[in-house]
Amino acid sequence: EPEVTQTPSHQVTQMGQEVILRCVPISNHLYFYWYRQILGQKVEFLVSFYNNEISEKSEIFDDQFSVERPDGSNFTLKIRSTKLEDSAMYFCASRVAGEVYEQFFGPGTRLTVL
Amino acid sequence: KNQVEQSPQSLIILEGKNCTLQCNYTVSPFSNLRWYKQDTGRGPVSLTIMTFSENTKSNGRYTATLDADTKQSSLHITASQLSDSASYICVVKEATGKLIFGQGTTLQVKP
Repeated sequence: EPEVTQTPSHQVTQMGQEVILRCVPISNHLYFYWYRQILGQKVEFLVSFYNNEISEKSEIFDDQFSVERPDGSNFTLKIRSTKLEDSAMYFCASRVAGEVYEQFFGPGTRLTVL
Repeated sequence: KNQVEQSPQSLIILEGKNCTLQCNYTVSPFSNLRWYKQDTGRGPVSLTIMTFSENTKSNGRYTATLDADTKQSSLHITASQLSDSASYICVVKEATGKLIFGQGTTLQVKP
């Protein structure tokens, strides 16, 4: 069964460094998402991406964040200058077109900023 | 502010027993409501999706209900198994497409 994959599973970085989190959505999916979950807290929406552009972003997704679909298969989240509070689990999700189709989530990347 | 509140925060039951998890939301306009299961350290997995017009939907031992008038939903788990131990998250989709997540109910099934 096709699934969303994410790499790396765990990323440790120093404050101020840039990180790139990678996702490979399910191949026929058209909508892509990034979410984050700080330890012990609820999942929070970051950004949605469709047709090679951001369709919606939350207030969390500031100028330090960017997304890209560089090659038609990967979907990346870049954090330019990480802060301690960026430490969280980051989930990628994708879905097909349509109103009620479920989003399939990847296993997540745990980002630890020291 | 659009919010999704779940109760209880955590729950411990014995294997084989039934349980019901609650979800209240204030999201408006509303598109659909989903229940997800999230195992520790994993991404959420969809259990059910219900639109405004659906009152109940089942997926195996999971049955979700929705009352769009009172903005309440429940997830009933029948004959619980040890593998049901997880966090169960109620998620409401705004008409804009954005998903609003609840805090989750942590369920622990004991033998």
